Amino acid sequence: QKEVEQNSGPLSVPEGAIASLNCTYSDRGSQSFFWYRQYSGKSPELIMSIYSNGDKEDGRFTAQLNKASQYVSLLIRDSQPSDSATYLCAVNPSARQLTFGSGTQLTVLP
Amino acid sequence: GAVVSQHPSRVICKSGTSVKIECRSLDFQATTMFWYRQFPKKSLMLMATSNEGSKATYEQGVEKDKFLINHASLTLSTLTVTSAHPEDSSFYICSALKRGSTDTQYFGPGTRLTVL
Repeated sequence: QKEVEQNSGPLSVPEGAIASLNCTYSDRGSQSFFWYRQYSGKSPELIMSIYSNGDKEDGRFTAQLNKASQYVSLLIRDSQPSDSATYLCAVNPSARQLTFGSGTQLTVLP
Repeated sequence: GAVVSQHPSRVICKSGTSVKIECRSLDFQATTMFWYRQFPKKSLMLMATSNEGSKATYEQGVEKDKFLINHASLTLSTLTVTSAHPEDSSFYICSALKRGSTDTQYFGPGTRLTVL
C-alpha cells in the first residue's frame, strides 16, 4: 500500500465549477498535510497547509482534513484555466520529511 | 517570503562527466535542505536530506558516492552528480526548511539534467 494515494486523473472540470481533489494516507501519526501545485516542467508551489481536523480556507482554495478517516482534500472554487496543473498531496509522517502522492492532473476547460 | 533558487536551471552534459547543482535559500536560513528527483509524469522522489554542517542522509537505493551532497552554509547546498550517465537524466529539485520550522518546505525552480 502506498503511503500517500491520489487519483491520478486526469480530472476535467468546466471553468467556474468546483474542482475536488482527494488524498488518503496510511500513517496515522502524520501531523502536517500540504497541497502543492505543479505546472508542467516546473517545480511544486505550496498552496495550502493544514494541521487540524476540519476546513481551512484561503481565497478560492479550501483544504479539508479528517484524521480519523486519514483523508485530506482540496476544493478549488470558481476554477480557472490557469488552475490546470498537477496537484500534489504531501504528508509529514515524521519530523521534517515529506511523502508525496503521485499527483492528480487537473484540466479546467474554458 | 521564502525564495529558493537553483543553478543551473538546465544542463546538458556528456556521459561520464560530473555536474554540480546549487540550491540557495535567498531570504532565509535553512538548516535542512532536501534533494528530490522527478522523472516525467512521476511524482517527486526524495533522494537525500542535507543538514548544515553534517553528512547528508540518503534514501534507500540512492548511491551516496554518485550523488555527492554538501551543505556548507545555512543558505547553500550542492548536489554533484558524478560520472553521469543517460539514466541520470531527470528533473532535480531542491527544497529548504526555514530555520525554526519543522515541516513547511519551499521548493527551488528545479534543474533539468540531460546526459547524452
